[in-house]
Amino acid sequence: GEDVEQSLFLSVREGDSSVINCTYTDSSSTYLYWYKQEPGAGLQLLTYIFSNMDMKQDQRLTVLLNKKDKHLSLRIADTQTGDSAIYFCAEEPSGGYNKLIFGAGTRLAVHP
Amino acid sequence: NAGVMQNPRHLVRRRGQEARLRCSPMKGHSHVYWYRQLPEEGLKFMVYLQKENIIDESGMPKERFSAEFPKEGPSILRIQQVVRGDSAAYFCASSPLTSGKGEQFFGPGTRLTVL
Repeated sequence: GEDVEQSLFLSVREGDSSVINCTYTDSSSTYLYWYKQEPGAGLQLLTYIFSNMDMKQDQRLTVLLNKKDKHLSLRIADTQTGDSAIYFCAEEPSGGYNKLIFGAGTRLAVHP
Repeated sequence: NAGVMQNPRHLVRRRGQEARLRCSPMKGHSHVYWYRQLPEEGLKFMVYLQKENIIDESGMPKERFSAEFPKEGPSILRIQQVVRGDSAAYFCASSPLTSGKGEQFFGPGTRLTVL
């Protein structure tokens, strides 16, 4: 079946790196996404990775994909207080009309 | 280019009433998705529509829920005879017709509270 799992909480100090992990189950997923949700707001697409890649870097964000283990991670370098939010991992199974399967979200708290 | 718009942002209904949630996709987007987010949970897919067609409604409850995306006007998610368990945030997303990947742009959501 389709399931995406994430740890629920992460607390980091300002300036440190944050690593948010995600596991998914559908090996046929073509794209994997990271979304950010701030309190009371909708989801903002942060980055995505195609399933034939193993790494993608975009400014402070680095996405690593291990297809063998179905493991996805998001690293945020030099974490700032403005990065405090809930981060959702999502997979897009092939043949699924582009519907997204989301994890429950990781709440990132950045403290001074 | 305005983003995905949803209204109302907050909706309060009593049990048994109807709730109508509206979504206007981004300009040029003809694919609309509805998701539901229960408190402290991730988003769950409900339905995928194109203009005048329901493509995938595998996430929709069998009763009381319906969705449409008419040729003109916004997409509507309709919940009849609401119950307390329908209280959630409902998000709409849109994507462009020619996108090779399912990149979806989300609206701000409608937060439904059923009293």
